Amino acid sequence: DTAVSQTPKYLVTQMGNDKSIKCEQNLGHDTMYWYKQDSKKFLKIMFSYNNKELIINETVPNRFSPKSPDKAHLNLHINSLELGDSAVYFCASSPSGTENTGELFFGEGSRLTVL
Amino acid sequence: AQKVTQAQTEISVVEKEDVTLDCVYETRDTTYYLFWYKQPPSGELVFLIRRNSFDEQNEISGRYSWNFQKSTSSFNFTITASQVVDSAVYFCALSDPHSNSGYALNFGKGTSLLVTP
Repeated sequence: DTAVSQTPKYLVTQMGNDKSIKCEQNLGHDTMYWYKQDSKKFLKIMFSYNNKELIINETVPNRFSPKSPDKAHLNLHINSLELGDSAVYFCASSPSGTENTGELFFGEGSRLTVL
Repeated sequence: AQKVTQAQTEISVVEKEDVTLDCVYETRDTTYYLFWYKQPPSGELVFLIRRNSFDEQNEISGRYSWNFQKSTSSFNFTITASQVVDSAVYFCALSDPHSNSGYALNFGKGTSLLVTP
């Protein structure tokens, strides 16, 4: 039973295309996140989202948008892909309130390559 | 603002050596959590440990040990008798439960550990 699952695991596409990465968690957590890991392995928060509030890292281009159909899903849509978007994208989740211990539960990552 | 510094970019050791990975953090908050994650070559992020800011007890788990010192804002990680399977990138991270980014973790840039036979 995968706790946080992402699809696809690998995605190769051309510049200018629009693509989505899906994320689902079966942990019952209220908060989900997207992280970007660049070629130097640096992990940077892109978004955090719970069913009340979306918090966006101000450095993220508006070509990136999270979509959450319900609290178990947080998909990442990317418009007009650029070469610099090539990275590994990690989805994560965490409980909120009194259950929160600060730990994030990560998916296995989705490697996006833009040609 | 929070900041996590892992000054060692790459470390190479021979199997069975002990190795310490350094982590220094900055935060204005009195309540926070510190973490270490491991990223093996397969790419997934593996949770190793969580420490809250009120618990300065050092912890040992098998060959792994962690030294948390608030006085120096450090949370160092030591692997005793390293093995080839320990080769990975290790990330130190800081979480501020009161931040306006949810409970997002701020990661250091990682230390790449290579253990050779």
